[in-house]
Amino acid sequence: AQSVTQPDIHITVSEGASLELRCNYSYGATPYLFWYVQSPGQGLQLLLKYFSGDTLVQGIKGFEAEFKRSQSSFNLRKPSVHWSDAAEYFCAVVQGGSEKLVFGKGTKLTVNP
Amino acid sequence: NAGVTQTPKFQVLKTGQSMTLQCAQDMNHEYMSWYRQDPGMGLRLIHYSVGAGITDQGEVPNGYNVSRSTTEDFPLRLLSAAPSQTSVYFCASSYSRASAYEQYFGPGTRLTVT
Repeated sequence: AQSVTQPDIHITVSEGASLELRCNYSYGATPYLFWYVQSPGQGLQLLLKYFSGDTLVQGIKGFEAEFKRSQSSFNLRKPSVHWSDAAEYFCAVVQGGSEKLVFGKGTKLTVNP
Repeated sequence: NAGVTQTPKFQVLKTGQSMTLQCAQDMNHEYMSWYRQDPGMGLRLIHYSVGAGITDQGEVPNGYNVSRSTTEDFPLRLLSAAPSQTSVYFCASSYSRASAYEQYFGPGTRLTVT
C-alpha cells in the first residue's frame, strides 16, 4: 500500500538554527511530492513541490527540499528558522496517474526564542 | 478572488442529525476534494471530484455523500452524524486533472458530534 512516513511527530529548534524535517514514502513508480504548512487554526498552504527534473527544489518562505530516489526521501530544510515558522508541516505524495493525494501524519515545529 | 471558502466554520451536531458542509471556489478549478483531519492522523481523503457531475471515493468515504452539480460548489453531506465524525474538515481545489496535485485549501470546518 502507498504510504508516507514523517518519523518526527514534534521537533523543537531555537530561532536561527537550521531545520530538517524528514519524509519517506513507499511507491513503486516516481511519485509527485509536496510539502504543506499549516499554521494554527488555518488551512494548508503549499510550500514546494517536486514533479521531475532538478532534485533540489526551492519553495516559499526560504524552504527547500531534496528528492533522493535511493532513499525514498523528500526532506524539508531551512538554514535559519524564524519564530513565525512554528506550525505543523505535512509531506504529501501522489503516484503519477492517480488522483489521490496521500498525506503523512505531520510534524509539529516549535521554535524557541 | 475569494479562493476556497467553507461554511460553517464551527458546528455542533447531535448523533443522528444530518447536515451539509458547504465548499465553494471561484477559481474555475475542475478538481475538488474533501479531507478530514484528526490528531495524529494527518489528512485523509473522503471524496473527490474531477469535474461537474463526476465524483469518486477517497480513503474514508463511509458516512459521507457528495455531489458536484456545478464547477464552483462541492458540498459534503453527513446523513446521520456519529461521534466518530468529529473532526476538522477541509475542502481543496486545483486547476485541472493534470495538475490535480497542487491543491488550494479552504480554512476548514470544525465539527463536533455529541
